[in-house]
Amino acid sequence: DAGVIQSPRHEVTEMGQEVTLRCKPISGHNSLFWYRQTMMRGLELLIYFNNNVPIDDSGMPEDRFSAKMPNASFSTLKIQPSEPRDSAVYFCASSLWASGYNEQFFGPGTRLTVL
Amino acid sequence: DAKTTQPPSMDCAEGRAANLPCNHSTISGNEYVYWYRQIHSQGPQYIIHGLKNNETNEMASLIITEDRKSSTLILPHATLRDTAVYYCIVRPHNAGNNRKLIWGLGTSLAVNP
Repeated sequence: DAGVIQSPRHEVTEMGQEVTLRCKPISGHNSLFWYRQTMMRGLELLIYFNNNVPIDDSGMPEDRFSAKMPNASFSTLKIQPSEPRDSAVYFCASSLWASGYNEQFFGPGTRLTVL
Repeated sequence: DAKTTQPPSMDCAEGRAANLPCNHSTISGNEYVYWYRQIHSQGPQYIIHGLKNNETNEMASLIITEDRKSSTLILPHATLRDTAVYYCIVRPHNAGNNRKLIWGLGTSLAVNP
């Protein structure tokens, strides 16, 4: 099992540019989570999907952020336009919701730097 | 979800047991205690979870007090590779569509040679 796959691993961009982060969850998992981590704010949940449907996007900072999950094996997190304060490590995680059990498997993260 | 309180940092000597405490005094009857850890530059990793009985797996042991208001994660023989931030989280077992984990700041454990 390859685990959760995220791409790119590192992204450096300039303010105002569009950024797209990608995630492939573990095959068979039915929940997918996008997190952001900074030194100041720790690990924050941005949005999560159950069976490809967005359930809770209350953590998405503002309209510049959007996330999609067109199928069970792929999700994207887009920032448009990007700002320096968006610089962080973005993690994708997936889980198999069975009998209420909630072990989440995390990807290696994408380190985003917005200049 | 119930809130948790953890010490911000701890030290442990290599080869000794590391005992990481967590207070969750407002925990509800249907809430489980989960532990994750995050090694530097990696994503968090699940360690163990429990309801009211003590649990043990290949990574650690989880001791939950009888009143369930606190718990301790035990790494029996800490190694340098156990240096990480450890997160204690409580959440309902069956929460319908709510699959969120609420992350605090955790305990930064330093295992020293």
